[in-house]
Amino acid sequence: GNSVTQMEGPVTLSEEAFLTINCTYTATGYPSLFWYVQYPGEGLQLLLKATKADDKGSNKGFEATYRKETTSFHLEKGSVQVSDSAVYFCALPNQAGTALIFGKGTTLSVSS
Amino acid sequence: DAGVTQSPTHLIKTRGQHVTLRCSPISGHKSVSWYQQVLGQGPQFIFQYYEKEERGRGNFPDRFSARQFPNYSSELNVNALLLGDSALYLCASSLGPRGSMNTEAFFGQGTRLTVV
Repeated sequence: GNSVTQMEGPVTLSEEAFLTINCTYTATGYPSLFWYVQYPGEGLQLLLKATKADDKGSNKGFEATYRKETTSFHLEKGSVQVSDSAVYFCALPNQAGTALIFGKGTTLSVSS
Repeated sequence: DAGVTQSPTHLIKTRGQHVTLRCSPISGHKSVSWYQQVLGQGPQFIFQYYEKEERGRGNFPDRFSARQFPNYSSELNVNALLLGDSALYLCASSLGPRGSMNTEAFFGQGTRLTVV
């Protein structure tokens, strides 16, 4: 079945540093891929998505490219801010399309 | 526009008790899913309902049940609560055809359940 493996944290960065959070997937076909973010004490928010190979999803300075050849969807941001401190989840649908499968999450802490 | 709303936001129950959690999807969304998120882990799928029918079930015991109403709101019920049921329970709604999760899902703020 479909699965996702996500880089484990925590990741600790200084403000304005470059961020990469790795995500690789195993899937039948070419499902949509998602990054969700969870701020402390809150639910999940969709950060960005990509629906087909070579698509680049982007939002709030974050980017991720759907790479079919490496089965990856790494999250990047050129200059992180303290307000980016949160837990980030990579996700994709299960084979039946009835549920999202999430990675274990990567905690990002950004200090000023 | 109202997002996905869940109630209650927090509750504390005793082992062996029963709990009902509620969710209202975004207007126009016919698919509702439930997830359990244990502290420090990613959300785990419990159920998906689309047009009032169960379309998917995760690996959870029969103590967990759910239903969807004609207005597309949903309830998650958990019987005979165990300490291990303590978690954040998240509801998500989506517009995908036939409940497809290849379109984005919108999550509520969750219900924090503590079992003592």
